[in-house]
Amino acid sequence: EPEVTQTPSHQVTQMGQEVILRCVPISNHLYFYWYRQILGQKVEFLVSFYNNEISEKSEIFDDQFSVERPDGSNFTLKIRSTKLEDSAMYFCASSNTGELFFGEGSRLTVL
Amino acid sequence: AQSVTQLGSHVSVSEGALVLLRCNYSSSVPPYLFWYVQYPNQGLQLLLKYTTGATLVKGINGFEAEFKKSETSFHLTKPSAHMSDAAEYFCAVTSNTGNQFYFGTGTSLTVIP
Repeated sequence: EPEVTQTPSHQVTQMGQEVILRCVPISNHLYFYWYRQILGQKVEFLVSFYNNEISEKSEIFDDQFSVERPDGSNFTLKIRSTKLEDSAMYFCASSNTGELFFGEGSRLTVL
Repeated sequence: AQSVTQLGSHVSVSEGALVLLRCNYSSSVPPYLFWYVQYPNQGLQLLLKYTTGATLVKGINGFEAEFKKSETSFHLTKPSAHMSDAAEYFCAVTSNTGNQFYFGTGTSLTVIP
């Protein structure tokens, strides 16, 4: 069964460092998403991506964040200068017809 | 604008008892509604969804939910809880015109032996 894969599963970084989280969406999907879940809190929308550009983004997705689809398979989330409050689980998702398929998540810990 | 409200951040039931997790939505367009489950240290897995058609939808692991437009609700039920049902459950809404999913704050289900 096709699935969304994310790497790394866990990353620890120092405050101020750049982080790139990688995702491989399901191959025939057209819509890609990043969501964030701070420990014990709800799943929050960050950004959606379609046709090689951002289609929607939330207030959380400020200038420190960027997304890219560098080739036909990967979808990356970059945090330019991490802050303590960026510590969270980051979920990538993809969809075609209204159902989101999520990856297992990348846990980011900022020290 | 769309949103979901999940009443009860924590629900405890005895093994074998009925599970009822509540979700109410707000949407200015016909909604698509979803329930996702998150087991500890895992990602989000789709339990079931409603898009159009039959308002009672059945999902995996014996769960079902009923879309009630008059009550703007999409409550999740299971007749008999199993220990393996202990997890976090999230209700979500989107629409056929949007591509952003809005999640509720989640309900943590505990099953007591």
